[in-house]
Amino acid sequence: NAGVTQTPKFQVLKTGQSMTLQCAQDMNHNSMYWYRQDPGMGLRLIYYSASEGTTDKGEVPNGYNVSRLNKREFSLRLESAAPSQTSVYFCASKKEGGVVGETQYFGPGTRLLVL
Amino acid sequence: DAKTTQPNSMESNEEEPVHLPCNHSTISGTDYIHWYRQLPSQGPEYVIHGLTSNVNNRMASLAIAEDRKSSTLILHRATLRDAAVYYCILRDRTGSGNTGKLIFGQGTTLQVKP
Repeated sequence: NAGVTQTPKFQVLKTGQSMTLQCAQDMNHNSMYWYRQDPGMGLRLIYYSASEGTTDKGEVPNGYNVSRLNKREFSLRLESAAPSQTSVYFCASKKEGGVVGETQYFGPGTRLLVL
Repeated sequence: DAKTTQPNSMESNEEEPVHLPCNHSTISGTDYIHWYRQLPSQGPEYVIHGLTSNVNNRMASLAIAEDRKSSTLILHRATLRDAAVYYCILRDRTGSGNTGKLIFGQGTTLQVKP
């Protein structure tokens, strides 16, 4: 049981390049989330998917797109990377419903540097 | 989502108890109090959560004030591995708020001295 996995661990991009961050979970969770964390700051929600086939915007969605490929996988795409998107990106998942299901499990993060 | 206020940083000595405070004066009756922590270079991890009563688990205890306007996360014996940023988060489990979104503040950075 690997939990939440993210690839790549680290990436350097040039301004204007595109890339996709991958996230997968093996806990049969329905909900998945993408956050970004800038230095010295808390996490901010980019997009989330409450269930397979649905996605919704979070606090900071501009410049990103997401795809809930299936129940296990939730990818984040940067179509044209900008230096302001330099950050650490965390994927998370949780079971749906009730207080018991509200624990989120986080991946190890992807460190992205945009030059 | 209601707002929480935490001290920016705290220090503790190893093997001593640590009390991490959180103020949430605008908490509503349906808000649960959640604590997550983030170890250096890792993603956040769940610590504990509660509604009204004090809660204990293998990691920590959560003491909730009677008026629910504040709470305290208690680490009974701090170890060097407990050095992390601790986030106090309110989660509304009713209606459209129950999407699982977590709103993180800046948290409290806990330093543990040997």
